[in-house]
Amino acid sequence: DAKTTQPPSMDCAEGRAANLPCNHSTISGNEYVYWYRQIHSQGPQYIIHGLKNNETNEMASLIITEDRKSSTLILPHATLRDTAVYYCIVRVVLGPGANSKLTFGKGITLSVRP
Amino acid sequence: DTGVSQDPRHKITKRGQNVTFRCDPISEHNRLYWYRQTLGQGPEFLTYFQNEAQLEKSRLLSDRFSAERPKGSFSTLEIQRTEQGDSAMYLCASSALASYNEQFFGPGTRLTVL
Repeated sequence: DAKTTQPPSMDCAEGRAANLPCNHSTISGNEYVYWYRQIHSQGPQYIIHGLKNNETNEMASLIITEDRKSSTLILPHATLRDTAVYYCIVRVVLGPGANSKLTFGKGITLSVRP
Repeated sequence: DTGVSQDPRHKITKRGQNVTFRCDPISEHNRLYWYRQTLGQGPEFLTYFQNEAQLEKSRLLSDRFSAERPKGSFSTLEIQRTEQGDSAMYLCASSALASYNEQFFGPGTRLTVL
C-alpha cells in the first residue's frame, strides 16, 4: 500500500471548518483513500473513504485532487468532540492485491479550541 | 459503542507471565482483526481471521503470540512469557466480508508488563 504523509498537528476554532491534508504521491490507480480518527483512549473510528470522486457523509467530506496525489478531509463545523488523531490510509481493496489490513501512520492530531 | 467488545479493558502482569485477551466482534461480521498500539504511534496490524481461518499474520506476531477464532465468532489473543516490550494497547476490529468495508474497532485492552 502507498505511504501517506500528514503534518503532525493542527488546530482550529470550534464551529469553523477543519481541513486536514494528506499527501499520497505514490498512490496507484486501484488504491482507495480512507480516513479514520482516534479519540483519546478509544479505538479508531471510520470516517469516510473514496477513490477519485469527492465524497460526503454525515461526518465529513473528502476532497481528492484530480491527480489523486493528495486529499483533504473536511470537518465542516468542528466541535470540541472532534479533537482526535486523524489517520489517512491508502489501500487496495478490490481485485488482485486487495489488502484487508489497515496500515496506520502517526496521523495528524487535531485540536479544536473553544 | 461500536458493538465490538474486548475483555479485559486493562491488564497488569509481571514479566514472564502468560496473558489472554478476548474480543467479541459484531455478530454478523466474518472478518476479525488484531492490532497493537504503543504510545504515540498508530495501530500496527498483527493478524486477521476470516471466519475461523487465520489468513494473515504480521512478522510482529512472534512465536510467543497466538490468536484463535475457533467457531468463527469471538477471538482470543494469548501472549506467552510476556516481556516489558509487550506493553501496549491491543485493539480488535471486525468487518463484513469485503475488503473495502469499514472496520469497527473495540475499546482495546491495555496491557502493562512490570
